[in-house]
Amino acid sequence: QQQVKQSPQSLIVQKGGISIINCAYENTAFDYFPWYQQFPGKGPALLIAIRPDVSEKKEGRFTISFNKSAKQFSLHIMDSQPGDSATYFCAASMIGYGQNFVFGPGTRLSVLP
Amino acid sequence: DAGITQSPRHKVTETGTPVTLRCHQTENHRYMYWYRQDPGHGLRLIHYSYGVKDTDKGEVSDGYSVSRSKTEDFLLTLESATSSQTSVYFCAIRERSRNNEQFFGPGTRLTVL
Repeated sequence: QQQVKQSPQSLIVQKGGISIINCAYENTAFDYFPWYQQFPGKGPALLIAIRPDVSEKKEGRFTISFNKSAKQFSLHIMDSQPGDSATYFCAASMIGYGQNFVFGPGTRLSVLP
Repeated sequence: DAGITQSPRHKVTETGTPVTLRCHQTENHRYMYWYRQDPGHGLRLIHYSYGVKDTDKGEVSDGYSVSRSKTEDFLLTLESATSSQTSVYFCAIRERSRNNEQFFGPGTRLTVL
């Protein structure tokens, strides 16, 4: 019940295209869903996060869509750029209880010029 | 970067030797975490600390121990390193003032021969 599934494992997108990464969870007590971006040789960095009381959150070219009934959430990167090439991790937590994060296995995104 | 440093950044050691990794933070955060990152597994929690001398096990704690004698330092020890512990290790802190977000250090790449 603590697992977070993530797909695809890898993704290749042309510059200007839309990148979509999907995650699914089982534990309905999760109430916080962040996405992390990691460049090679660096630590993961928080990209964007959402709470289940909203269905969508947008920050610049990055959007999280959240489907509470399906227990799924996804990251959309609009107008993908080569600089977006990185590994993306979704995560889930019961933030209100100070619970630890559970991470998905990651998606390696390559944006071709 | 939430003032997190890790040392060493790279280490090569031999099976059976003890190894200690250090995480240092400068912003007085109460919660600190050790993760390991392996291909296909994302980030898995090894141990975490919720205060000086207060620690608890995570998902993959076997073969690891931790200590936190002062707020700013969280040490991860491999008592007798094995090849299966070859990984990239990340330290993280939880920042209560920012929605309990976790922020990661730059990582330590450990190779056990």
